[in-house]
Amino acid sequence: SQTIHQWPATLVQPVGSPLSLECTVEGTSNPNLYWYRQAAGRGLQLLFYSVGIGQISSEVPQNLSASRPQDRQFILSSKKLLLSDSGFYLCAWSSQGRGPLNYGYTFGSGTRLTVV
Amino acid sequence: GEDVEQSLFLSVREGDSSVINCTYTDSSSTYLYWYKQEPGAGLQLLTYIFSNMDMKQDQRLTVLLNKKDKHLSLRIADTQTGDSAIYFCAERGSGNTGKLIFGQGTTLQVKP
Repeated sequence: SQTIHQWPATLVQPVGSPLSLECTVEGTSNPNLYWYRQAAGRGLQLLFYSVGIGQISSEVPQNLSASRPQDRQFILSSKKLLLSDSGFYLCAWSSQGRGPLNYGYTFGSGTRLTVV
Repeated sequence: GEDVEQSLFLSVREGDSSVINCTYTDSSSTYLYWYKQEPGAGLQLLTYIFSNMDMKQDQRLTVLLNKKDKHLSLRIADTQTGDSAIYFCAERGSGNTGKLIFGQGTTLQVKP
């Protein structure tokens, strides 16, 4: 069965420090991968998505970057965190197959990032 | 462009029915989804409906789709305190990227 792992669960970082959040998917190959941010427990903002190794699309200009060094690994990074980067970060994957269950996303458990 | 709108908050009493509404703009959407997010957790897929259907029932959940008005609803029968969560509707965009477009979420509060 497919699983998605996201870590760490919580993170407190000072302003100006670097960031690296990791997401890995098991039990599938060539997934679509997504990074979302949820501010103040509300709506989801799509940050990045990837349809393959080294292929990253950015949805909004920001202080963050993403990389996909391996097929099932998706990393969210920042060189210098801002206070406004605080939020709940969610990784998700979907299959490149057809049909509603392939199109639907499976989410990780999220990382609560607090920048102080 | 693609957009999905939801009301932000709904409060019901335990045992009552809850109806969460959603509107979308992309008439070429093929599938529409409902997700549930409990506090501090990721989103969990509840159910989905194909755009050529007008109703789908799954135990206590009923999804109604009015494609003409681009209106989707999720009805939860006999709402329990464990149903308290944020509910997101989402549509599959018409592009080839496979991206889902999410609404801003409806917080459901169930009072005992």
